[in-house]
Amino acid sequence: EPEVTQTPSHQVTQMGQEVILRCVPISNHLYFYWYRQILGQKVEFLVSFYNNEISEKSEIFDDQFSVERPDGSNFTLKIRSTKLEDSAMYFCASSAAGGYYGYTFGSGTRLTVV
Amino acid sequence: GNSVTQMEGPVTLSEEAFLTINCTYTATGYPSLFWYVQYPGEGLQLLLKATKADDKGSNKGFEATYRKETTSFHLEKGSVQVSDSAVYFCALITNDYKLSFGAGTTVTVRA
Repeated sequence: EPEVTQTPSHQVTQMGQEVILRCVPISNHLYFYWYRQILGQKVEFLVSFYNNEISEKSEIFDDQFSVERPDGSNFTLKIRSTKLEDSAMYFCASSAAGGYYGYTFGSGTRLTVV
Repeated sequence: GNSVTQMEGPVTLSEEAFLTINCTYTATGYPSLFWYVQYPGEGLQLLLKATKADDKGSNKGFEATYRKETTSFHLEKGSVQVSDSAVYFCALITNDYKLSFGAGTTVTVRA
């Protein structure tokens, strides 16, 4: 079964450093997303991406965050200057048709900011 | 806006017990409804879905019926196993294409 692949699975970074989280969505999917889950809390929407541009973003997704599809297969989330409160599990997801029949999620990247 | 409320956990059961996790929602428009499962140390997996009223989603012995009149999508399984221990998330999506998740319910099944 096709998978969404995320790397790395764990990342520890110092506060103020830039991190890039990487995702390879399912190849024929057109819609891409990032969600995050702070430990013990709800899964929260960050951003959706379609047709090489952001289609929607949440209030969490401020100027410190950016997304990019640098080539035909990767989808990245960059955090420019990490804060302690960015520590969370970050999930990438993709869907073929806007998600109305469900997304496929990756296994997540656990980001720890120290 | 859209929101999902699900039963708070944790829930602890013995093997072969009946499991119900309640989920109710508020949505603009006509949502699709989902249950996602997160096994320890893993990502979110789609467990089942229903895209219109009265649809029943089912998978791995789990079932949930889309009840528009009560805005509910309760998850049930008749006989749980230790391997069903996980966190279960109810979620919905409408025409904004953003998944809204409930808080998650931790289920532990003891042998």
